[in-house]
Amino acid sequence: GENVEQHPSTLSVQEGDSAVIKCTYSDSASNYFPWYKQELGKRPQLIIDIRSNVGEKKDQRIAVTLNKTAKHFSLHITETQPEDSAVYFCAVLGWGGKLIFGQGTELSVKP
Amino acid sequence: DTGVSQDPRHKITKRGQNVTFRCDPISEHNRLYWYRQTLGQGPEFLTYFQNEAQLEKSRLLSDRFSAERPKGSFSTLEIQRTEQGDSAMYLCASSSGQGPGELFFGEGSRLTVL
Repeated sequence: GENVEQHPSTLSVQEGDSAVIKCTYSDSASNYFPWYKQELGKRPQLIIDIRSNVGEKKDQRIAVTLNKTAKHFSLHITETQPEDSAVYFCAVLGWGGKLIFGQGTELSVKP
Repeated sequence: DTGVSQDPRHKITKRGQNVTFRCDPISEHNRLYWYRQTLGQGPEFLTYFQNEAQLEKSRLLSDRFSAERPKGSFSTLEIQRTEQGDSAMYLCASSSGQGPGELFFGEGSRLTVL
């Protein structure tokens, strides 16, 4: 089945710095790659997604890049703010239409 | 609130008891998913429905777990003979099913098995 690896598991940055989280996947047929943000005690919420017909997508301070050949994709957050502190999950659309999630990255932005 | 709702939000039970969780998806969504999340881990897929049809069930799911969506609207997840290892947050999500797209999650049902 589909396997998704996410790194790092924790990430601490200073306010204003950039943060990068990477995920690799195993199924070359996957074509949809979303990122979810989960604040403490809250539900996961979609922040950005990318489909395999594009290599990069940007939405204000967040961007996602996709390398289908290497089967990896990354989340980039620029000009980080304390409210960016949360757990971030990558996901891959697996066979049959279910999302397979990575293990999560706990991002801490220090003021 | 027209989002995904789950009930109960918290459940504490003794080992060996049965528990049932309910999920009400967004009304126009025909896909409904159940995930399990433990501390420090990503959501783990359990099962999902397209309308009332259960399309897939994780191989990791034991026979003690069963889910239904009898009328293609709300869904229930039952765990029989609970074990301490079942303690987790059970998340429900729904989507429109119109190609790959956003999953809308509920707040989750937290299960503690003593």
